[in-house]
Amino acid sequence: GNSVTQMEGPVTLSEEAFLTINCTYTATGYPSLFWYVQYPGEGLQLLLKATKADDKGSNKGFEATYRKETTSFHLEKGSVQVSDSAVYFCALLKQAGTALIFGKGTTLSVSS
Amino acid sequence: DTAVSQTPKYLVTQMGNDKSIKCEQNLGHDTMYWYKQDSKKFLKIMFSYNNKELIINETVPNRFSPKSPDKAHLNLHINSLELGDSAVYFCASSQDQAGKAFFGQGTRLTVV
Repeated sequence: GNSVTQMEGPVTLSEEAFLTINCTYTATGYPSLFWYVQYPGEGLQLLLKATKADDKGSNKGFEATYRKETTSFHLEKGSVQVSDSAVYFCALLKQAGTALIFGKGTTLSVSS
Repeated sequence: DTAVSQTPKYLVTQMGNDKSIKCEQNLGHDTMYWYKQDSKKFLKIMFSYNNKELIINETVPNRFSPKSPDKAHLNLHINSLELGDSAVYFCASSQDQAGKAFFGQGTRLTVV
């Protein structure tokens, strides 16, 4: 079946460090891929997305590239801030009319 | 002017009780969802409605019953609550079912 696997957390970094959160997926065909972020006490917000192979999604300094050959969609940011501390979810959408399938989430904690 | 609002935010109740969680969206979206987030932050789809019609019904106990009186509202009623129902329940909506979903702040349900 369709699934998303994320690296286990928590990830603990100092401010201005480089961030990578790994995400791989299993799906037939060409799903759309997403990163959502959940700040403490809030609902999830869409961070970025990519809908086809080699697309790069980017937002707020975060980037992820849809790699079909490695079935991956790793999230990166060059210099994290304390305000980036949150839970990050990788997700896929198999096709319109179905629901998002989420990974288990990765907690990021950034200290000053 | 909250986009997706859920009530209540916190709900503590005894085993065996029946409770409801309400959700409203003012975005004009056609599709609404209920997700369950367990203690390990894992998010799983429960139900989805499109224009008041049930389109996704995952394998959840039939003690859970969604109701959509109109396309702006999707309520979740739970009968005979069990300890294992304790979780955070998120309502979400989307316009084109293409993965960009707007989430409410969640309802933390604790069954004692």
